[in-house]
Amino acid sequence: TQLLEQSPQFLSIQEGENLTVYCNSSSVFSSLQWYRQEPGEGPVLLVTVVTGGEVKKLKRLTFQFGDARKDSSLHITAAQPGDTGLYLCAGVYNQFYFGTGTSLTVIP
Amino acid sequence: NAGVTQTPKFRVLKTGQSMTLLCAQDMNHEYMYWYRQDPGMGLRLIHYSVGEGTTAKGEVPDGYNVSRLKKQNFLLGLESAAPSQTSVYFCASRHGQGIGETQYFGPGTRLLVL
Repeated sequence: TQLLEQSPQFLSIQEGENLTVYCNSSSVFSSLQWYRQEPGEGPVLLVTVVTGGEVKKLKRLTFQFGDARKDSSLHITAAQPGDTGLYLCAGVYNQFYFGTGTSLTVIP
Repeated sequence: NAGVTQTPKFRVLKTGQSMTLLCAQDMNHEYMYWYRQDPGMGLRLIHYSVGEGTTAKGEVPDGYNVSRLKKQNFLLGLESAAPSQTSVYFCASRHGQGIGETQYFGPGTRLLVL
């Protein structure tokens, strides 16, 4: 059972462009995490959002948790080649439920 | 401080063979997890452990067994490998269940079952 759907699945953009990745579910989570994974490595935690409506900023990355704690978004401003990777959201409810992933490529 | 390590990094098995994947963490974490990652599917939880001597089933446990005899080690076993078990396997650990507590992942084991 895939509880979390991410969109888009693939994204290829030019350096300097902005983008938004979405993570949607019909389930309510106690918190939601975003990870970035580079080829050949394990995921690395970027942020945890806990409160419905919460917005967190990490340099050029902005994370938002939906009011109902069922969905989240990740917005990247002025993307750079170093942002390339697989972005995964994970809903937390007793255990972790990972999304399907968004593969981002930023072209120099 | 190595964090989470996984052995082996890559393995090829024939259908029906068995093998054990080893995960070790040196952070004294209570919780450990085994995930598999397949294209377009994200990470799916196979089994997890909330402490030494305990194990529990995750989302996709069939065909796998686990053991947590020592706090720092979490073993994943495939008794009779099938091609459907071709995947990348990740181990993770974390200290507790507090909100926001980070999961630390190992580098992964790539398994190919022919």
